[in-house]
Amino acid sequence: EADIYQTPRYLVIGTGKKITLECSQTMGHDKMYWYQQDPGMELHLIHYSYGVNSTEKGDLSSESTVSRIRTEHFPLTLESARPSHTSQYLCASRQVGEQFFGPGTRLTVL
Amino acid sequence: GENVEQHPSTLSVQEGDSAVIKCTYSDSASNYFPWYKQELGKRPQLIIDIRSNVGEKKDQRIAVTLNKTAKHFSLHITETQPEDSAVYFCAALNSGGGADGLTFGKGTHLIIQP
Repeated sequence: EADIYQTPRYLVIGTGKKITLECSQTMGHDKMYWYQQDPGMELHLIHYSYGVNSTEKGDLSSESTVSRIRTEHFPLTLESARPSHTSQYLCASRQVGEQFFGPGTRLTVL
Repeated sequence: GENVEQHPSTLSVQEGDSAVIKCTYSDSASNYFPWYKQELGKRPQLIIDIRSNVGEKKDQRIAVTLNKTAKHFSLHITETQPEDSAVYFCAALNSGGGADGLTFGKGTHLIIQP
């Protein structure tokens, strides 16, 4: 079934650790997105991609980085996690029109 | 760029009553306006959308209206039920624009009182 997958779903780590949040989609979409969202709050765009080898920063300044080596894969990396990074991270993809979201990764940095 | 304002931030209605959420946008080139529902702990999911060549669209108890001249669009939910309780986000997109995608409103917490 075509969908967007994110792993891990929940992650608790210590300050200073390097982490990668995985996002894969089997929908064949060119455009992919990462949002940061505190529970029930607004969606902040932190990164997006037009397609393979394209990455752009979004509206919200973020200390994370992304890569897009394959169409279906759009991982997000935090080189040194801090408590201020505690949030939910949502991956999304779109071709034309409707945008689909992944289930999210809930990150807690102690 | 596009700017989307959404009101109210919280809306409490009695079960069975109607709920209306309003959004305004700034970019006259925007031509696609979706509404997403996000239940607690879940991902946002599209519930209805409208394109700029249509003034109104209805799907069972939900409807969306669009006024291009005034640059505003609204979500209407009739005969509200407890399962309608969620956060609702409006969004706008210029489908002929770049890949930066949808511009979202800040969300409305809809609470259905039994």
